[in-house]
Amino acid sequence: QKEVEQNSGPLSVPEGAIASLNCTYSDRGSQSFFWYRQYSGKSPELIMFIYSNGDKEDGRFTAQLNKASQYVSLLIRDSQPSDSATYLCASPEEGNQFYFGTGTSLTVIP
Amino acid sequence: DAGVTQSPTHLIKTRGQQVTLRCSPKSGHDTVSWYQQALGQGPQFIFQYYEEEERQRGNFPDRFSGHQFPNYSSELNVNALLLGDSALYLCASSLATGGLYGYTFGSGTRLTVV
Repeated sequence: QKEVEQNSGPLSVPEGAIASLNCTYSDRGSQSFFWYRQYSGKSPELIMFIYSNGDKEDGRFTAQLNKASQYVSLLIRDSQPSDSATYLCASPEEGNQFYFGTGTSLTVIP
Repeated sequence: DAGVTQSPTHLIKTRGQQVTLRCSPKSGHDTVSWYQQALGQGPQFIFQYYEEEERQRGNFPDRFSGHQFPNYSSELNVNALLLGDSALYLCASSLATGGLYGYTFGSGTRLTVV
């Protein structure tokens, strides 16, 4: 049984700072990881995904994957109040079922 | 290009009743997955439909059933509703290789069982 774990937070950062969100996983065979953002009362929306060890950058977002330590993180640079949301980490199993963490609540303080 | 459409948006049902939720996938997507998200939790996989068949099922009782139609739209049925079934039900569409590129989620159906 895959498990994806996240610190539920809440995490608070000042506007303009770097927000760091972390996720650990139990299945060493996991190949890919997805980060979703979910605003309160809304559905999750895909931010980015990562397959390879190392960093992947997309605008203000950077995903980091360390398969040896079994953790994946999401960095948000120049955080904005509009980034305030819950961030979900997820990993698929054989391309079908996604296992989601419980999410980390982020608040960016103006 | 329409995204994933779910209906209804909100629903209130009485314990023991039955409910049907509907989903139209994003144009070009052929696979529909259903997730249940309780308050403060991450989405939990219910099942996935591809080519009108249930391809994979999560750890949910048989009270939860589904269907996929030839136009790829899908229904989620829940029988004998329990208070614990109150949650946000999310439909997610993808290509069959959804694990490669992730899902597109609909806006969800908020089900309240009283």
